[in-house]
Amino acid sequence: DTGVSQDPRHKITKRGQNVTFRCDPISEHNRLYWYRQTLGQGPEFLTYFQNEAQLEKSRLLSDRFSAERPKGSFSTLEIQRTEQGDSAMYLCASSLDGTSNQPQHFGDGTRLSIL
Amino acid sequence: AQSVAQPEDQVNVAEGNPLTVKCTYSVSGNPYLFWYVQYPNRGLQFLLKYITGDNLVKGSYGFEAEFNKSQTSFHLKKPSALVSDSALYFCAVRDRGGATNKLIFGTGTLLAVQP
Repeated sequence: DTGVSQDPRHKITKRGQNVTFRCDPISEHNRLYWYRQTLGQGPEFLTYFQNEAQLEKSRLLSDRFSAERPKGSFSTLEIQRTEQGDSAMYLCASSLDGTSNQPQHFGDGTRLSIL
Repeated sequence: AQSVAQPEDQVNVAEGNPLTVKCTYSVSGNPYLFWYVQYPNRGLQFLLKYITGDNLVKGSYGFEAEFNKSQTSFHLKKPSALVSDSALYFCAVRDRGGATNKLIFGTGTLLAVQP
């Protein structure tokens, strides 16, 4: 079990640029989640995949955000035309399918800073 | 709607003393509750969960939590605090409104253990 891996760990970019983050879940986990965490707050749900299907998107996920999980393994989160308010920690989590009691396991996140 | 409240922004405790980090919840139906810990610039680590059964749940690193249905609380406890326990602690409830099992987090409590 190598854990959930996220890349890059840090991203600094200018406002208006596009950015893409990658998440590699624990290998046998079917479920994958993206959360966003701002300073002083708990993580907030963005979107969820079961295998390759994106089954839910939060209202926080504006049309500038897109997420994919093309083969049901790794996932990418892209933000187009970044804005100052996008500065946050983006966390990926995965869990086993089956009962809803399985805990989600988190990666170390990608910290995005918009200049 | 499901929600979680952590009434204390910070808890200070001396090393070797017992610690309690408070959490109250609001859900419809039976709650699924979780505690996570976050160290600086890291993701969230799962500590323990309550699904059903015994009200006292034991978890990682000597932590435990007591589920109290009448008080709608799920306080995190440890008999003897360590300096290395200093971190940010999040309580979470699983959203029962859909099929995604996404977590709804509190705002976090910073635990500071003084040597």
